[in-house]
Amino acid sequence: SAVISQKPSRDICQRGTSLTIQCQVDSQVTMMFWYRQQPGQSLTLIATANQGSEATYESGFVIDKFPISRPNLTFSTLTVSNMSPEDSSIYLCSVEWDRGRQETQYFGPGTRLLVL
Amino acid sequence: SQKIEQNSEALNIQEGKTATLTCNYTNYSPAYLQWYRQDPGRGPVFLLLIRENEKEKRKERLKVTFDTTLKQSLFHITASQPADSATYLCALGTDSWGKLQFGAGTQVVVTP
Repeated sequence: SAVISQKPSRDICQRGTSLTIQCQVDSQVTMMFWYRQQPGQSLTLIATANQGSEATYESGFVIDKFPISRPNLTFSTLTVSNMSPEDSSIYLCSVEWDRGRQETQYFGPGTRLLVL
Repeated sequence: SQKIEQNSEALNIQEGKTATLTCNYTNYSPAYLQWYRQDPGRGPVFLLLIRENEKEKRKERLKVTFDTTLKQSLFHITASQPADSATYLCALGTDSWGKLQFGAGTQVVVTP
């Protein structure tokens, strides 16, 4: 299995500022995913981040608002830009593991963001 | 429109009984379906995967069924324990790139 850590675990930010969330994996993985989970809601996929290529964003999410970096096979960052209270959410990264046997995803613990 | 529906009301169940959760979907053709467990303040933890050509999967006290005609999956926890109390999420995999679409989850509360 993969062990995933995220930093920060939580933060309180002011409207209009930006926050960068880090995701570190203890093994090399090809695909990493960023999700958002708003209070009482399901996880919504923001984007897929592959090393060496631009992230692929889902409908409703744009690079200017959620720029993603994937500098190597164990690390990724998601930036929440120009934040508003509507961005208050839990942000989770996940990695796909054991591809070829079953499509299992392992999730980080999440970053709990509150925007005032 | 595409939907994944799970019971929004919490399922309260007595220890030792079987908990059954449903996941219904519309306008999807999933290649596989997964179930995850999520505890408060934690990320989801993978439990089981079932593919479109499989009817049933078991893992210890867990059982999943998948009916692509009814567009439904059932998730059973047999001999439930208080430690099984959590929110359970179903997720549909519709392509080969690992992208998942999640339901909102059902909270299970097992009382002694």
